[in-house]
Amino acid sequence: EPEVTQTPSHQVTQMGQEVILRCVPISNHLYFYWYRQILGQKVEFLVSFYNNEISEKSEIFDDQFSVERPDGSNFTLKIRSTKLEDSAMYFCASNGQLDQPQHFGDGTRLSIL
Amino acid sequence: RKEVEQDPGPFNVPEGATVAFNCTYSNSASQSFFWYRQDCRKEPKLLMSVYSSGNEDGRFTAQLNRASQYISLLIRDSKLSDSATYLCVVKAGTASKLTFGTGTRLQVTL
Repeated sequence: EPEVTQTPSHQVTQMGQEVILRCVPISNHLYFYWYRQILGQKVEFLVSFYNNEISEKSEIFDDQFSVERPDGSNFTLKIRSTKLEDSAMYFCASNGQLDQPQHFGDGTRLSIL
Repeated sequence: RKEVEQDPGPFNVPEGATVAFNCTYSNSASQSFFWYRQDCRKEPKLLMSVYSSGNEDGRFTAQLNRASQYISLLIRDSKLSDSATYLCVVKAGTASKLTFGTGTRLQVTL
């Protein structure tokens, strides 16, 4: 069964540094998403991306964050000037149509020191 | 009021038991409904979509009450492998984002 893949599985970074989290969505999917989950809390939406542009973003997704689809397969989340509170699991998801269920990657655990 | 509200549990049940989880949502524009399961420190995995007429998938039955803005999940003949957190998830018709509840933790014991 095709799956969403994410790298790295765990990223440890010093506060203030920039990180790039990578995702390869399912190959025929058109809609891509990033979510995060702080330890012990619920999964929160960050951003959705379609047709090479952001289609929706949450209040969390401020100027510190950006997304990009640099080629035909990768979808990246960049976090600039990381803060301690950015420590969380970051999940990428994709689907083929807007009303279809979203399929999640196994996440990147981001630890900011 | 929380957008999606669930009893956090934990629900501790013996193997073979039937257990039911409930969820309420606040956005009346919600159009799509799902149950996902999440194992500890893992990604959410789709368990089933929830349809207006109710639907069943093996031991799992989901119900939707739009008037009351209420969703339920029934698990029959619980297995040890059903131990996980069950996430109630909704999506507004015009939106792309999923809105998650905090999840209900289920622990099935021998």
